[in-house]
Amino acid sequence: AQSVTQPDIHITVSEGASLELRCNYSYGATPYLFWYVQSPGQGLQLLLKYFSGDILVQGIEGFEAEFKRSQSSFNLRRPSVHWSDAAEYFCAVGAHRKAAGNKLTFGGGTRVLVKP
Amino acid sequence: EAQVTQNPRYLITVTGKKLTVTCSQNMNHEYMSWYRQDPGLGLRQIYYSMNVEVTDKGDVPEGYKVSRKEKRNFPLILESPSPNQTSLYFCASSGTSGNYNEQFFGPGTRLTVL
Repeated sequence: AQSVTQPDIHITVSEGASLELRCNYSYGATPYLFWYVQSPGQGLQLLLKYFSGDILVQGIEGFEAEFKRSQSSFNLRRPSVHWSDAAEYFCAVGAHRKAAGNKLTFGGGTRVLVKP
Repeated sequence: EAQVTQNPRYLITVTGKKLTVTCSQNMNHEYMSWYRQDPGLGLRQIYYSMNVEVTDKGDVPEGYKVSRKEKRNFPLILESPSPNQTSLYFCASSGTSGNYNEQFFGPGTRLTVL
């Protein structure tokens, strides 16, 4: 069964500093991987996705993630954090071959707080 | 505009009072799902549908029902809500054109059961 672990529940970072959010997945084949962000009181916004190919994935607004098959990881990076990046971030893995209606399995989320 | 809509966005109810949360998509997607979001657990799939009149249980189906009578609509029904169903609910839809198709999420419905 597929699973996703986000080891950090909370991260506090200073504005302008770099940020890396960890994600480890368990899946029996090459995974489809996603990062979503949820701002307070808002819905989910897709930041980026990995289906195949280049291991460094560029997303919206300067976010990027690196797929490391050997470590079963898909960490999200932000080179310079802005105050508006304060939100909860979710990593997810997608089921293959249309199983369970393209079901996504989510990690527990990492809440990011930004200090001025 | 391509979108998934949910109603209501906020709902406070009491234990045992039947309720329905509606979900509609305008992208002609075959697949639709319901997820619930709880602190520390992320989102978990409740039910999904791969076509009209085809539904199946996800990971946490207890206490919920769904129906898919039309392609665009996928309502979530709580016949007898209980406080442990207090949660944030998301509907999602996706197409079938490849091995995997991105899911489009609705804005969420925050449900409180007293």
